[in-house]
Amino acid sequence: DTGVSQNPRHKITKRGQNVTFRCDPISEHNRLYWYRQTLGQGPEFLTYFQNEAQLEKSRLLSDRFSAERPKGSFSTLEIQRTEQGDSAMYLCASRHGARTGPTDTQYFGPGTRLTVL
Amino acid sequence: EDKVVQSPLSLVVHEGDTVTLNCSYEVTNFRSLLWYKQEKKAPTFLFMLTSSGIEKKSGRLSSILDKKELFSILNITATQTGDSAVYLCAVEDGTGNQFYFGTGTSLTVIP
Repeated sequence: DTGVSQNPRHKITKRGQNVTFRCDPISEHNRLYWYRQTLGQGPEFLTYFQNEAQLEKSRLLSDRFSAERPKGSFSTLEIQRTEQGDSAMYLCASRHGARTGPTDTQYFGPGTRLTVL
Repeated sequence: EDKVVQSPLSLVVHEGDTVTLNCSYEVTNFRSLLWYKQEKKAPTFLFMLTSSGIEKKSGRLSSILDKKELFSILNITATQTGDSAVYLCAVEDGTGNQFYFGTGTSLTVIP
């Protein structure tokens, strides 16, 4: 396992701009999760993919947020018309999904830190 | 509403002390409870708990789950400065589609 990778690691943008983040999960992991984390808070669930299908999406997620996972491999998270309140760390995690026990846990990527000016 | 509550929010101890971190939850259709350690980067996995009363142990860290009272504790004995981090508790719902995280407990270990 080479680990979950995320790009870019940092992104600074002006309010109103669109941004896109990429997550490459551990190979053979069919489950992929996106989270948002702000200072002093735990990760907040955004959305979940099983292979290419988006099976779960937070009710609190604005329609400015969209995620895709074409071909069930890497995933992208796009935020349109960014707002200052979108500033946060965006974490991606992947999981095998077909194992049982402690090995079937989420492995987190390093995150993308977004700053909206 | 599903939620996970951790206490205390922060803790400062001296090296060698023993600490107990608490996690209580209200999650529909519980599947598992997980503990993570987060330093200034992404969370790293510590324990997964699915059954009540069975202690999981890894070195100086241990954890146990009470599914009747809906809580878990994480113990760290003989704390070291390297234990300084935020400890996150998460609960997986029955579908496996969502994980609910608490706000974390920030632990600072002073030499």
